[in-house]
Amino acid sequence: EPEVTQTPSHQVTQMGQEVILRCVPISNHLYFYWYRQILGQKVEFLVSFYNNEISEKSEIFDDQFSVERPDGSNFTLKIRSTKLEDSAMYFCASNLERSSYEQYFGPGTRLTVT
Amino acid sequence: DAKTTQPPSMDCAEGRAANLPCNHSTISGNEYVYWYRQIHSQGPQYIIHGLKNNETNEMASLIITEDRKSSTLILPHATLRDTAVYYCIVRPPMDSSYKLIFGSGTRLLVRP
Repeated sequence: EPEVTQTPSHQVTQMGQEVILRCVPISNHLYFYWYRQILGQKVEFLVSFYNNEISEKSEIFDDQFSVERPDGSNFTLKIRSTKLEDSAMYFCASNLERSSYEQYFGPGTRLTVT
Repeated sequence: DAKTTQPPSMDCAEGRAANLPCNHSTISGNEYVYWYRQIHSQGPQYIIHGLKNNETNEMASLIITEDRKSSTLILPHATLRDTAVYYCIVRPPMDSSYKLIFGSGTRLLVRP
């Protein structure tokens, strides 16, 4: 069964450093998302992406964040200058159909900012 | 967006049915009920969704009351692997991005 993959599984970085989290969505999916979950808290929507542009972003997704689909398979989340409060699990998700909330999530990347 | 209310935790014995309730009394006529679960530290997993009628798939059944103000997710024969946080999410049929909005969910513990 096809699945969403994410790398790395765990990333440790120092405050102020840039990080890039990578995702490979399911190959024929067209809509892509990033969510995050701070330890012990709810899963929060960050951004959605379709047709090479952002469809919607949350208040969390400020100028320090960016997303890109650099080729036909990868979907990346970049944090330019990490803060301590960016420490969280980051989940990538994708879905095939426009009018569906049936999303397929990756296993997540645990980001630890020290 | 319609608000959902779920009990914070439940437990059931392995092999028995797990019935997870969700209240969504402010649901609009065209809003769908989606269920996801999150096994510890993993990404959320889609389970099932419905509008009015009861739905069943290989994972679970979804029972929606006639007034649509509440629903129940049924795992007919719970296993230890079903221990997870279960989220009931109400969403409109059209949205700018079809984002999911997660609440706190119900933590289900399946006991051996």
